[in-house]
Amino acid sequence: NAGVTQTPKFRVLKTGQSMTLLCAQDMNHEYMYWYRQDPGMGLRLIHYSVGEGTTAKGEVPDGYNVSRLKKQNFLLGLESAAPSQTSVYFCASSYGGLGLASLNEQFFGPGTRLTVL
Amino acid sequence: AQSVTQPDIHITVSEGASLELRCNYSYGATPYLFWYVQSPGQGLQLLLKYFSGDTLVQGIKGFEAEFKRSQSSFNLRKPSVHWSDAAEYFCAVGRALYSSASKIIFGSGTRLSIRP
Repeated sequence: NAGVTQTPKFRVLKTGQSMTLLCAQDMNHEYMYWYRQDPGMGLRLIHYSVGEGTTAKGEVPDGYNVSRLKKQNFLLGLESAAPSQTSVYFCASSYGGLGLASLNEQFFGPGTRLTVL
Repeated sequence: AQSVTQPDIHITVSEGASLELRCNYSYGATPYLFWYVQSPGQGLQLLLKYFSGDTLVQGIKGFEAEFKRSQSSFNLRKPSVHWSDAAEYFCAVGRALYSSASKIIFGSGTRLSIRP
């Protein structure tokens, strides 16, 4: 099993450019998440998905869009990149469920380092 | 609103020495607490979690954490650190929702360096 994979690993964009980050998991997990990690701020949730075809906003959703067309994939899009979106982006997945079951361990990908000039 | 505070940004300990990383949470109901570790260039990995029961929780790699409700703390400990423990450590608090996926709030992290 590859676990959670992310592509690309690194990317440099100019302000105003668009791009899509791809996350794939082979563990048949229901839930998937996109986080950004910035120095001194830990991880902040951007968007998440509780199943194929569903997405929801996290703490910092502005400037990002997501799609979950297939259960195993979760895409994060930046329509018009801004320097404030320079960050390391992590995708994670976990088994589904409600209540305590939804607090199962999250499995993280290796991250994508994005720089917006 | 729930929040997590890790007061130490960076800690350096000697190899073989004991370790304690501090974590304080703010949450009105029963907290569900986690410690994750992030090795350089890697994603996060779960070390241990506390949901209920025994307040001393054992995790992987020889780590343990103790939940102290009276102090709103969930400190991570290891009796003897190894050079491979150098990493960034994140405390997190979760809230169980019954209508949707639950939310986990991460602290800002503590970077651990090991002195040879």
